[in-house]
Amino acid sequence: GEDVEQSLFLSVREGDSSVINCTYTDSSSTYLYWYKQEPGAGLQLLTYIFSNMDMKQDQRLTVLLNKKDKHLSLRIADTQTGDSAIYFCAESTGGFKTIFGAGTRLFVKA
Amino acid sequence: DVKVTQSSRYLVKRTGEKVFLECVQDMDHENMFWYRQDPGLGLRLIYFSYDVKMKEKGDIPEGYSVSREKKERFSLILESASTNQTSMYLCASSSKGQGVAGEQYFGPGTRLTVT
Repeated sequence: GEDVEQSLFLSVREGDSSVINCTYTDSSSTYLYWYKQEPGAGLQLLTYIFSNMDMKQDQRLTVLLNKKDKHLSLRIADTQTGDSAIYFCAESTGGFKTIFGAGTRLFVKA
Repeated sequence: DVKVTQSSRYLVKRTGEKVFLECVQDMDHENMFWYRQDPGLGLRLIYFSYDVKMKEKGDIPEGYSVSREKKERFSLILESASTNQTSMYLCASSSKGQGVAGEQYFGPGTRLTVT
């Protein structure tokens, strides 16, 4: 079945770039998302990319998609302490179901 | 501002009790979802609904049921709570045709402890 995998933890220093990686198995995925969960809150959509795109940039965020390897990454430039959160990779075919990864907990050290 | 609210942030129940978790959205969304979130496992879909009175099983429906009598409200029911249902429960909603396809809006979650 469909699966989304990501590493569980990442620690970076404030000001450095963070790169969170994700792999997925469903080659028919149409949309790939990054959600952010801050402590005590639900998930919030951070950014997304269509499967026919290779890259998307949105201010400090860069999403790279390698469709051949089914690999998605999220780069956060100039990481701040406020970026500390859990980041979920997710994919869907645009229908009802969205498959979420286990989440990567990002620690930002001052 | 879009909003998904859940009836409780924290809940403590005893084994065997019937538990109701309520979720309300004010965005007129067709689709609503219940997930449970456990460390290292991410979000697992329990049930979803794509219309009033319609429901579909997700990946882990055992021990749960749902009710959707009104478009804005989706309830999760634990028929007889067990300790392995201790978890964070997240409700979400999404629109069929507007905005980013598949984008889900989440409530803040209910942390349920079953003792």
